[in-house]
Formats: sequence, structure tokens, C-alpha cells
Amino acid sequence: DQQVKQNSPSLSVQEGRISILNCDYTNSMFDYFLWYKKYPAEGPTFLISISSIKDKNEDGRFTVFLNKSAKHLSLHIVPSQPGDSAVYFCAARDYAGGTSYGKLTFGQGTILTVHP
Amino acid sequence: GAVVSQHPSRVICKSGTSVKIECRSLDFQATTMFWYRQFPKKSLMLMATSNEGSKATYEQGVEKDKFLINHASLTLSTLTVTSAHPEDSSFYICSASPRARGANEKLFFGSGTQLSVL
Repeated sequence: DQQVKQNSPSLSVQEGRISILNCDYTNSMFDYFLWYKKYPAEGPTFLISISSIKDKNEDGRFTVFLNKSAKHLSLHIVPSQPGDSAVYFCAARDYAGGTSYGKLTFGQGTILTVHP
Repeated sequence: GAVVSQHPSRVICKSGTSVKIECRSLDFQATTMFWYRQFPKKSLMLMATSNEGSKATYEQGVEKDKFLINHASLTLSTLTVTSAHPEDSSFYICSASPRARGANEKLFFGSGTQLSVL
């Protein structure tokens, strides 16, 4: 049962254009959503996050949008740069209190390639 | 930012041997650490939650006798893959969050360990 889904395994974008990565979830108890960037043979690095009480969070070139009614979130990168090429994981937290605050459910990842 | 160190980064071993992977939080205390596993081109799957001073909590389908977790201090958790077999070959990643609740949304990850069992 895949509670967090990234239906696009890959995305190719021209440098300077916008990259839009999508993520869908099924668990309505998720209260926090995060995006991680990952290079091969490395651990994920935190990129940006959003609380379920918000619908938008922006940090420089990165913006995350959350549509709770559709159980959908997206990451926008603009302008895209070749250095953004990596695997992007969407993750969600189901806060059940106690020590579960760090328990994340990840999507399958989307490989972003930004061409010069 | 907070740093999580994971060692070794890569290990190749013979079938039947045991492998220990260390995860350290370098500049913060972590009462809880998490161990994930990633198969090629797949998502990161949570294996277990490591709790300092108590037994680890394993996710469904993960053999606790196969994957031994010890969280002896607030800065160190270890994962031991016992009697490793080729099907255990995978990328293992640990993560931790600073003890302060306010920082919990930024779960920090180690660099991962690529285990190859021959």
C-alpha cells in the first residue's frame, strides 16, 4: 500500500525553465510534508517542507504547494539549473505523538535532469 | 546545520558474515534514530526506529533477529546485519532528528552504506 506516490519516475527540463515535481498521498493523517534531494550513493538532503495547515511555502528558487482536498503536493523549481539534477523524494509524516515525529513515508522518487 | 555521520560508506562481505553499520549524530543529541533501506530505483523504506535506552521498534516484515539495532547513547545507533545473504544487499541509510521538537521537521540523514553480499 503506497501511501505516498510520485507517479513520474523522471522529468527532463531545459535550464532556466520551471521544473514541477508532483506527489500524491492517501493518508489524511499526514501533517507534514517534505522534499528531499538525493544523489546516487548519498543520503537524502532536506530541501523544503510544508505544514498541513499551509498551502504554500517558498524558499528561494523552491516553492512547495499543498492541496489538501486533492491530497496533492508539488515542488516548483524556477529557474532550473543543471546542478538541480538529482532524484527528488517527497515524504510525509504521520504524527502519532511521542517518538514517531521522525517517521517518514517516502514516495518512489523522481529523477530530474536539467539540460544546459 | 545538524550532521549525521554514517560508517562505513561501502562494505563488501561474504555470505554468512555479519556487518555492523554505525550512525552518529555529531552535533546534537538524538533520542531516536531511524534506519531506512533502499533498493535500486525504489523508495526509501523505514526498517526500524531506534530508541536510546530501549528496544528498537521494527516495521512490519522486518526481521528483528536479522537486523539488530543498538542505541547505546544519545549520539550513536548501530545496525548489525547478521548472517548476511545476497538478498540483504542494499543501500542502508540512517537518520536522526535533534532532540528539540521544534527542529524535528528537518530529519537529517547519514550518507548511507552500500552493502554488497557475495
